[in-house]
Amino acid sequence: KAGVTQTPRYLIKTRGQQVTLSCSPISGHRSVSWYQQTPGQGLQFLFEYFSETQRNKGNFPGRFSGRQFSNSRSEMNVSTLELGDSALYLCASRPSGNTPGTQYFGPGTRLLVL
Amino acid sequence: AQTVTQSQPEMSVQEAETVTLSCTYDTSESNYYLFWYKQPPSRQMILVIRQEAYKQQNATENRFSVNFQKAAKSFSLKISDSQLGDTAMYFCAFMKTSYDKVIFGPGTSLSVIP
Repeated sequence: KAGVTQTPRYLIKTRGQQVTLSCSPISGHRSVSWYQQTPGQGLQFLFEYFSETQRNKGNFPGRFSGRQFSNSRSEMNVSTLELGDSALYLCASRPSGNTPGTQYFGPGTRLLVL
Repeated sequence: AQTVTQSQPEMSVQEAETVTLSCTYDTSESNYYLFWYKQPPSRQMILVIRQEAYKQQNATENRFSVNFQKAAKSFSLKISDSQLGDTAMYFCAFMKTSYDKVIFGPGTSLSVIP
């Protein structure tokens, strides 16, 4: 099976712009989670989608939003970008079944906000 | 709220030696899941090992094993016969239920020295 894919891999934006990141999970996985990774804050959970519904949410402002499509692909949107949004954004998918919590991560999208 | 602590920001070990990475967590739950994830310099995060709290037996995966002390809320990772490819950031993670979000610790950067 193909792994989790994320596009684009690298992105440069300026303050005030908005950005959309995409994540395609492993075939058959219905859960997709998003994380922000920075040197100072580590890995912070943004949100999780399961069968097109947001199942869990982290403590990020409303500028961060997401959605999931019927094919389980997920997008994350950040509006009104700030310098502090520069980070590696990771998505992870996980299967339903007898290995709860096992996540499969994508390579990440590195976002630089200037 | 659950928290995960990794008290060793950086560690190093000689090739072929054994190293133990520490992790403690805080929860009032009796059943939960614990994980160790590895993030090599290439940035693709992968699962190393998982432990279900109701299982008293410590999980092992080849050279990787854990010491799960439920009463002490401790979950350390032992890497035997360290290899250069073990150089990575290691994250300890906690999940309350199979439908819950995964909470990551701040990570331990491990360097294997030839």
